[in-house]
Amino acid sequence: KNEVEQSPQNLTAQEGEFITINCSYSVGISALHWLQQHPGGGIVSLFMLSSGKKKHGRLIATINIQEKHSSLHITASHPRDSAVYICAVRGRIGSRLTFGEGTQLTVNP
Amino acid sequence: DAGVTQSPTHLIKTRGQQVTLRCSPKSGHDTVSWYQQALGQGPQFIFQYYEEEERQRGNFPDRFSGHQFPNYSSELNVNALLLGDSALYLCASSLSDILLAEAFFGQGTRLTVV
Repeated sequence: KNEVEQSPQNLTAQEGEFITINCSYSVGISALHWLQQHPGGGIVSLFMLSSGKKKHGRLIATINIQEKHSSLHITASHPRDSAVYICAVRGRIGSRLTFGEGTQLTVNP
Repeated sequence: DAGVTQSPTHLIKTRGQQVTLRCSPKSGHDTVSWYQQALGQGPQFIFQYYEEEERQRGNFPDRFSGHQFPNYSSELNVNALLLGDSALYLCASSLSDILLAEAFFGQGTRLTVV
């Protein structure tokens, strides 16, 4: 079993839909990252969370430390949101990241 | 600020050859981590460099080695390349003395071994 599990693996939505991507982890962490990866490979950090909730534009990220679970929400989705969204956790010791497999999101116009 | 830069962006090598990938961290960052991302999978941690020393290492063979220079830039070397080494290699930089420092990623180097 992977230390970081994401669901779903693939997600197709219509423009305007509300989207949720889930991340569960099995180890103690100091922080959780949500990352976006476009074709070509470059990774952009969307959020870094250690508790509670963060919002940036149409993106919202929440984390429940007790349940070892985080969600990334996209409101009013747009085709330009199409990308791979990756959850990564940072252990309690050191700063290495352990990544989930990613969720491929496709938003159709 | 150029952010994290990696070179080259693409590379094709033959089985058995050696390769060196390069990373310049974001300005002011002193810690560099390297990750390997196979097609369709999440990145896997290779190792991390701080103060010119390997501080942490993932589950990769000794064929994978690295170096950090006094200006904090870093190299990843892979010897005796295998077909399975074909992947996107990502570099991330951060600042070590900030608790929960955010990591910034480069665009990656796509290595193809034929």
